[in-house]
Amino acid sequence: SQTIHQWPATLVQPVGSPLSLECTVEGTSNPNLYWYRQAAGRGLQLLFYSVGIGQISSEVPQNLSASRPQDRQFILSSKKLLLSDSGFYLCAWSVDSKLFFGSGTQLSVL
Amino acid sequence: LAKTTQPISMDSYEGQEVNITCSHNNIATNDYITWYQQFPSQGPRFIIQGYKTKVTNEVASLFIPADRKSSTLSLPRVSLSDTAVYYCLVGALFSGGYNKLIFGAGTRLAVHP
Repeated sequence: SQTIHQWPATLVQPVGSPLSLECTVEGTSNPNLYWYRQAAGRGLQLLFYSVGIGQISSEVPQNLSASRPQDRQFILSSKKLLLSDSGFYLCAWSVDSKLFFGSGTQLSVL
Repeated sequence: LAKTTQPISMDSYEGQEVNITCSHNNIATNDYITWYQQFPSQGPRFIIQGYKTKVTNEVASLFIPADRKSSTLSLPRVSLSDTAVYYCLVGALFSGGYNKLIFGAGTRLAVHP
C-alpha cells in the first residue's frame, strides 16, 4: 500500500532563516505531488505541484520554492523565512483525482 | 478549473443525518467530485468520490444530479467525532497524467450532544 511521509511535525524558525521540508512517498511510482499551506483557521492553499522529476509548477508567487530531485521525493524550501510563512504545510500525492495527505508540518516563524 | 461554493458552517446533533451541498456550476465533462474531511492539525482525509448519480460507501453517500452543477454529501447519524471541516473538490485526471486540485473554504460542521 502507498504511504506518505512528511517531516518534521513541528518547526520553529527565526525570521530570515532557511527552510527545508521533505516529503517522500512509498508504494507508487511517478506520483503527482503537491505542497499545500493552511493558515490558522483557514482553507488550504495550493503552493506547488509536480508531475515528474524536475517538473514543478508554482501556484502562488512567494519566497518559497519546491524541488523534486527523485521520483518520490518532494522538497519545499526557502532561503529566508518571513513571518507570513507561518502555517501548516501539507504534502500530498494523487491518483484518480484523489488526494492523499501527509501528517503535516506546523511551522512557526518568530 | 471549476470553482466550488459551500456553506461556511453547519450545526447538527448526534444521531441526525447531515447533508452538505456544494455548488460547482462550471464543472467540466471529465471532472470528478471528491469530498474530504479535516480535523484540526491533521491533513484532509478522503471521504468519497463520484462522477454522477449516487455513490455510497461505509462512511457517507454522495448525490449528484444529472446536470452535475451541484453535489450533496450525506452523513448518516452523525456523532461528536464527525465534527470537522468538510471540503468539496472538483477536478480531473487529464490525459497528460496530472490533475490540479484546488480547495475551497470548506464547511465547518459542529455536532452537538
